[in-house]
Formats: sequence, C-alpha cells, structure tokens
Amino acid sequence: EAGVAQSPRYKIIEKRQSVAFWCNPISGHATLYWYQQILGQGPKLLIQFQNNGVVDDSQLPKDRFSAERLKGVDSTLKIQPAKLEDSAVYLCASSLGTTEYNEQFFGPGTRLTVL
Amino acid sequence: AQSVTQLGSHVSVSEGALVLLRCNYSSSVPPYLFWYVQYPNQGLQLLLKYTSAATLVKGINGFEAEFKKSETSFHLTKPSAHMSDAAEYFCAVTSSSNTGKLIFGQGTTLQVKP
Repeated sequence: EAGVAQSPRYKIIEKRQSVAFWCNPISGHATLYWYQQILGQGPKLLIQFQNNGVVDDSQLPKDRFSAERLKGVDSTLKIQPAKLEDSAVYLCASSLGTTEYNEQFFGPGTRLTVL
Repeated sequence: AQSVTQLGSHVSVSEGALVLLRCNYSSSVPPYLFWYVQYPNQGLQLLLKYTSAATLVKGINGFEAEFKKSETSFHLTKPSAHMSDAAEYFCAVTSSSNTGKLIFGQGTTLQVKP
C-alpha cells in the first residue's frame, strides 16, 4: 500500500516569496491534515479537511497561508508571502475518518527554509 | 483544552538499558493517547495508542506504555534499548470532541550509546 506522498522534500526561498507544497494521501482516506513542525517542537495542526471540506483551520495564519483540497483527494498548501518564522517542516497526514481512534499516517514532510 | 508535556527533551541510555520516556497530559474529557517515533528526515510513525481499552498498551519494536489516570501520565518504556531506537519520540493526545486532531508534546530525543 502506497503511503502519503509529499513534494517537494526540500525548498529554500527568500522572505516575501511564495511557495506551494503538495500532498497525495493514502487512497480512500477521507481526512487530510497539514501540520507545521518548527525545529525543536512537536507538530502543530494548521488545517484539517474531511473530503474537500474544512473541518478545522483555527491555527492557520489566513493572512498568508491558504490550502485547498479539490475533488477531496490531493491537497496544496501555499504560503504567500513567506516570513522567516515560516521555516519549518510541513507534514501532511491522512486517516480514514475523523474519529479519535483513526490512525493518522504521515508523509515524509517538506522542509522549508526561508532566508 | 488539551495539552501534553514531555519531561526531558533529551534522554541518553546505554544499549541494553531500560528506556523510559515521560509524558503527562491535561484533558477535561477522556483522552486518547498516542506515541509516535520520527527518524531523521522521515515522517512520524505510530508506535502505540491508548483508546480506553486496556491501560497497558503494547506497540511495535518492543515498546509499551501504561495509562495512569490518577497521575495523568502515559510514559513509554522498553526493557532493553537497541541502537536502532535512536530517534525523536512524540506523545500526543486527542479526544472524542476533537475531530481527530492530535495535540503533540515537544518531543524527546533518545540517544543510545554503544
């Protein structure tokens, strides 16, 4: 079974530039999560989708971050414009549903460096 | 609101020694608790989870954890450390009112010395 795919794996940009990350979840998984993991910290949820609808985006900095999940399958997370503090690993995860016991499967992440 | 505190950002043990990684949680509703492991440049992998069945949970790679409600703890243990256990470990909590969102601790880096 293929896992969660993410691209690119690494990205270096200058502040005020824009960047986009892509995630393809495990086939059949209705729920998709984007987490931000700053160095030395645990992952923090940015946004959660159930199919193509947003379940939780309370921690997404909406003035610069946006995400979409068209057709309820793969998803794109965008940052525009980037700030130095956005340097982090962006993890995508998917699960069958939204219940608390559904295991979340994580992709390898995209490491973003903002200079 | 829910939160997780992992005591000790770095833990070092000798190969063959007991591994103990500490996790305390705060939750106003019955929690569901998880331990994930992250190897360098990889995503998180589930080690084990507590979902209100048995309080002693066994996971992969010889790890286990015990849910202690009175102590609000969910510590991770392994009787004998192996070099391949060196990684970062995260404790996480969620609940039935949380839409599956995981709240993570800050992580503990486990170093295993030969």
